[in-house]
Amino acid sequence: QQQVRQSPQSLTVWEGETAILNCSYEDSTFNYFPWYQQFPGEGPALLISISSVSDKKEDGRFTIFFNKREKKLSLHITDSQPGDSATYFCAASIGQGGSAKLIFGEGTKLTVSS
Amino acid sequence: DAGVTQTPRHEVAEKGQTIILKCEPVSGHNDLFWYRQTKIQGLELLSYFRSKSLMEDGGAFKDRFKAEMLNSSFSTLKIQPTEPKDSAVYLCASSSGGDTQYFGPGTRLLVL
Repeated sequence: QQQVRQSPQSLTVWEGETAILNCSYEDSTFNYFPWYQQFPGEGPALLISISSVSDKKEDGRFTIFFNKREKKLSLHITDSQPGDSATYFCAASIGQGGSAKLIFGEGTKLTVSS
Repeated sequence: DAGVTQTPRHEVAEKGQTIILKCEPVSGHNDLFWYRQTKIQGLELLSYFRSKSLMEDGGAFKDRFKAEMLNSSFSTLKIQPTEPKDSAVYLCASSSGGDTQYFGPGTRLLVL
């Protein structure tokens, strides 16, 4: 049973537009949500993360919006660039002190066209 | 500091063979993870070690997959015997016990 779900499966935006990637989860004990970025031929790399005590986390052009009540979050990429073309994975865990195990979503493949 | 190292980067095996994949975690990291990545199933956890102790062995992967931590800086994943459905990218990741996992580049396995 998939505990972390992502949508859409793939997304194409024009350079300069805002890309919105969605994620939802089932387990209410999850309290840490990292987003990983993966380029072809490479392993995933941490992009940005948020804990459940916050509703927003911003890092440059990347922002996570978190809705704990609805168990949903989204990654917004503003002013999208061709170099942002990659697969993005939402993940969840119960955070430090507990299991370090991450549960990954299926990923969203983002293509930024110029 | 060096990141996570995985060898080989590519492996081609005949059905029934035994293959061993290798991983060197980031120096000082206590947690080590093995994942399998396919387009259909995504990222699946195979094994999870904390301070060389096996914390999780991935349930469905038990029978032909065996991960070991030979010491704190070296881990292997053995697949025996290989089957065509094992064709995938195998990723190793390590963590300092915090929340961030650092991934290696992966080993792309093709089983014929």
